[in-house]
Amino acid sequence: DIQMTQSPSSLSASVGDRVTITCQASQDIRDYLNWYQQKPGKVPNLLIYDASHLQSGVPSRFSASGSGTDFSLTISSLQPEDFAVYFCQQYFNLPVTFGGGTKVEVK
Amino acid sequence: EGELVQSGGGLVQPGWSRRLSCAASGFTFSHYWMHWVRQTLGKRLEWVSRINTDGSVTHYADSVKGRFTMSRDNAKNTLYLQMNSLRVEDTAIYYCVRDQNFYGSGHDYWGQGVLVTVSS
Repeated sequence: DIQMTQSPSSLSASVGDRVTITCQASQDIRDYLNWYQQKPGKVPNLLIYDASHLQSGVPSRFSASGSGTDFSLTISSLQPEDFAVYFCQQYFNLPVTFGGGTKVEVK
Repeated sequence: EGELVQSGGGLVQPGWSRRLSCAASGFTFSHYWMHWVRQTLGKRLEWVSRINTDGSVTHYADSVKGRFTMSRDNAKNTLYLQMNSLRVEDTAIYYCVRDQNFYGSGHDYWGQGVLVTVSS
């Protein structure tokens, strides 16, 4: 199975901060990587697909990049509604696997 | 706007069975691959299974293979997960999710999730 390692597992930030989360795959997954946001008590929401493509309706302050084994998700200016948990997901191989999540908390 | 509405969660004893259902609306259900994904109490997301558009092809995580069966009824726009020989470690919130395209570029629709608790 492909292991997805996210870092950090949590971070504290302030509104307006630039935040970057990384995700590393245990083997080359090309660009078969998605990012999700999950707010407390809600279902995950697709933010980014295919490593760098912004899902329809997602604010442009979210961006992502990467290919192969190293990926990142950036929030250019953190907003109050962005405090949540973020997950990466690879679908290059079955089983589909997710990272352990990064919790973005208020500083 | 598409929607997935789930039912079937609850408390079951180890070794027992449970069937989850997921009713789709607002999109052409038969055109999309579907998955079940579960979230443990520790909030970790785990892929469970997937099914192709006509139900002829399924894949399962090793942890559920031989115990869980995923199926679909395109005439009823409904997805199912039959869970047999349930174990304590199957306790989780179960989500049905849609692949947004043939290539699997993300799950764009999620059901509301149902909690399955396996405990004696």
